Amino acid sequence: GIQVEQSPPDLILQEGANSTLRCNFSDSVNNLQWFHQNPWGQLINLFYIPSGTKQNGRLSATTVATERYSLLYISSSQTTDSGVYFCAVVYLGSQGNLIFGKGTKLSVKP
Amino acid sequence: DAGVIQSPRHEVTEMGQEVTLRCKPISGHDYLFWYRQTMMRGLELLIYFNNNVPIDDSGMPEDRFSAKMPNASFSTLKIQPSEPRDSAVYFCASSPRGRVQKTQYFGPGTRLLVL
Repeated sequence: GIQVEQSPPDLILQEGANSTLRCNFSDSVNNLQWFHQNPWGQLINLFYIPSGTKQNGRLSATTVATERYSLLYISSSQTTDSGVYFCAVVYLGSQGNLIFGKGTKLSVKP
Repeated sequence: DAGVIQSPRHEVTEMGQEVTLRCKPISGHDYLFWYRQTMMRGLELLIYFNNNVPIDDSGMPEDRFSAKMPNASFSTLKIQPSEPRDSAVYFCASSPRGRVQKTQYFGPGTRLLVL
């Protein structure tokens, strides 16, 4: 089956710093989503981005489908950005279930 | 919209007991998914429905697990009998009609502890 690998597994930032999270996937996909799981466990949709670039405030994401990777950029990080960031894909030919990476655990220090 | 609603939010039960988790998808969404999150296995799909019909239940761990969707606004995931290894967070998600490869919206999850 498709492999979804995220890096780095852990990231510690000082408030105000920028960061880039990476997601590599091993097969063609027709759905890619980024989620933020907050400290209370809620999975929050950040982006639906099977290809191209999107921005939402301090967050932006880019997916290069032909090279099988996606990047999530966080600028001017805040303590509320702490949590785990998941990349999840639906691979081409699948009927729709998301395959999740193991996540990047982000801690933003004040 | 209220989003995907799950109940209960927390459940503590003893081994051998029956557990029923409930989900109300976003109105108008045709797809409903049940996922489980554990430390060991991360987030994994258990089963999903399209228009109330189960499409893929290959992720259901064993016969102790069953899921139903009697109508477009309600689904249950049942574990009978429950075991300590079933302890996990169970998420329900829904997706709009049309191509399934659209954004999936997740509920708050049910945190299950089996003693």
